[in-house]
Amino acid sequence: DAKTTQPPSMDCAEGRAANLPCNHSTISGNEYVYWYRQIHSQGPQYIIHGLKNNETNEMASLIITEDRKSSTLILPHATLRDTAVYYCIVRFSTGTASKLTFGTGTRLQVTL
Amino acid sequence: DSGVTQTPKHLITATGQRVTLRCSPRSGDLSVYWYQQSLDQGLQFLIQYYNGEERAKGNILERFSAQQFPDLHSELNLSSLELGDSALYFCASSRGATADEQFFGPGTRLTVL
Repeated sequence: DAKTTQPPSMDCAEGRAANLPCNHSTISGNEYVYWYRQIHSQGPQYIIHGLKNNETNEMASLIITEDRKSSTLILPHATLRDTAVYYCIVRFSTGTASKLTFGTGTRLQVTL
Repeated sequence: DSGVTQTPKHLITATGQRVTLRCSPRSGDLSVYWYQQSLDQGLQFLIQYYNGEERAKGNILERFSAQQFPDLHSELNLSSLELGDSALYFCASSRGATADEQFFGPGTRLTVL
């Protein structure tokens, strides 16, 4: 699986959009970009994933650049409950197995 | 609540001992995954089972073993425990072997003294 690079920490004011970047310059054509988050020491939680088109769900939007070498997770209206470590993961979504390789993630602090 | 349950929540034991961590996946999920989260190594994939069969293996130590039973629950056995095995152990489950979304349990915090 391709390696990802994320900033170690970011701050965001409550109510504003949080834009979390991820670099995955060695991504291959059939690897997907996944985002998970971990609030305090709870189990990680799936947020969204995509291949090359932008994706949106009830939690967030995922913007993937045309060359697929980087992506941005957007939380449109961050709340205090969005304070967490956000992990960008690249992996194949086919085959016979499905492990997640977590990096160090971005610690997002949402403040009043 | 993800629907994945793990027991026990906390476990304190001594070096050299053996422990068993238990995981019950969400109803209908056939895959179970085990992850270890320690302060120095971060979140690491250990092993995946799908419908009772081992599907993928990560950096799981030889002292660790796992299995998935016919009722789909899984157990992670840790033996000859060392101080460095102290960590949070998460179990996750998913519908298929390559599902996009894995649902994580609350974890078992293991402390080895």
